[in-house]
Amino acid sequence: GAVVSQHPSWVICKSGTSVKIECRSLDFQATTMFWYRQFPKQSLMLMATSNEGSKATYEQGVEKDKFLINHASLTLSTLTVTSAHPEDSSFYICSARPGGGRLTDTQYFGPGTRLTVL
Amino acid sequence: AQSVTQLDSQVPVFEEAPVELRCNYSSSVSVYLFWYVQYPNQGLQLLLKYLSGSTLVKGINGFEAEFNKSQTSFHLRKPSVHISDTAEYFCAVRRLSGGYNKLIFGAGTRLAVHP
Repeated sequence: GAVVSQHPSWVICKSGTSVKIECRSLDFQATTMFWYRQFPKQSLMLMATSNEGSKATYEQGVEKDKFLINHASLTLSTLTVTSAHPEDSSFYICSARPGGGRLTDTQYFGPGTRLTVL
Repeated sequence: AQSVTQLDSQVPVFEEAPVELRCNYSSSVSVYLFWYVQYPNQGLQLLLKYLSGSTLVKGINGFEAEFNKSQTSFHLRKPSVHISDTAEYFCAVRRLSGGYNKLIFGAGTRLAVHP
């Protein structure tokens, strides 16, 4: 089956530093990748949608200068949290859509990255 | 706009008992419907999906769901649960028209299976 990996699985950083999270589709090419944020005991909130080779589309209220998304290849997207602060602590999950070009394409989710900012 | 309501935030149940997790949605256009499961500190795994055709959909791990258009519901059921089914369950919709649209998730239902 389709597998999506994320790295790292957890990260602790100091306030003011930047953190990069990688999302990889291991056995398929992903035309579109999605980045979600999940607070404890809450649902997933879509942050942005990225298509390979183009700029990401951010959801309303998400700061694009703070959450930098790069989708440089069909198997890799990265999310960089710049100048992280404690309120950015959260569980970040990516998902990937295979490149079938069909509206019925299923999204496959990564295992998530736990970010803790001290 | 679409929205998803999961009517129960928590559902406790004994092992081998049946369970139903309720999901209602609101949309002015046709949608695809999904159920995902999330185990602690993990990402989401697709349980089942309704795209078209038969309104009774069977998924993995013995789960099934029924799409009811008139009631705008997509309830998830399992006839006999196991301890290993303890997890968070999310119902989600995605609009059919206008390209590949984003998933809209409900708030989630915590299923706790007790021995």
